[in-house]
Amino acid sequence: AQSVTQPDIHITVSEGASLELRCNYSYGATPYLFWYVQSPGQGLQLLLKYFSGDTLVQGIKGFEAEFKRSQSSFNLRKPSVHWSDAAEYFCAVGPNSGNTPLVFGKGTRLSVIA
Amino acid sequence: GAVVSQHPSRVICKSGTSVKIECRSLDFQATTMFWYRQFPKQSLMLMATSNEGSKATYEQGVEKDKFLINHASLTLSTLTVTSAHPEDSSFYICSARDQQGYYGYTFGSGTRLTVV
Repeated sequence: AQSVTQPDIHITVSEGASLELRCNYSYGATPYLFWYVQSPGQGLQLLLKYFSGDTLVQGIKGFEAEFKRSQSSFNLRKPSVHWSDAAEYFCAVGPNSGNTPLVFGKGTRLSVIA
Repeated sequence: GAVVSQHPSRVICKSGTSVKIECRSLDFQATTMFWYRQFPKQSLMLMATSNEGSKATYEQGVEKDKFLINHASLTLSTLTVTSAHPEDSSFYICSARDQQGYYGYTFGSGTRLTVV
């Protein structure tokens, strides 16, 4: 079965500290992996995606993610968190084409403290 | 980049009335549209998948007569909540995809529906 697990429901980090949000997936075919961010009352904004090639993917807002096939993981990282990064983060997996919907994790809420 | 325009962003309606939510792909052909519902502090729940020109496929537990989905063109899909009740109050988000997947999955900005 296809699934995405985000083990951390809520993470609090200090501004300027580094961040890693975990994501593990289970997918029958070659996965197309995504990280989205959602601010309260807003839609989803794509941070980055991975399908093939370099396993370290750079995204917007200074985020990056590393695909590790052996661990079925696609963790999101940022070296220095800003207060504006406080939001909900969703990891998702899907096919590279066709009409199959994304499978989402339950999300990780990030709080940033001064 | 690909953009999906979703309207309205917020709507308040009286119980028993119907509400239509529109999603338009502005710069690509959305052969497939996904409609999600999101409860506070929860993840997205897939309601239905629609392919242009075909009937929508609804997820288990989603009432197709209450949530009418139309995808009559490659750039427009609509979700109509019929005879809305307070329990239908939620955040609804659409996501569009082109056939080749070139644009990935592009999300609308969401619609906050409040039924009073």
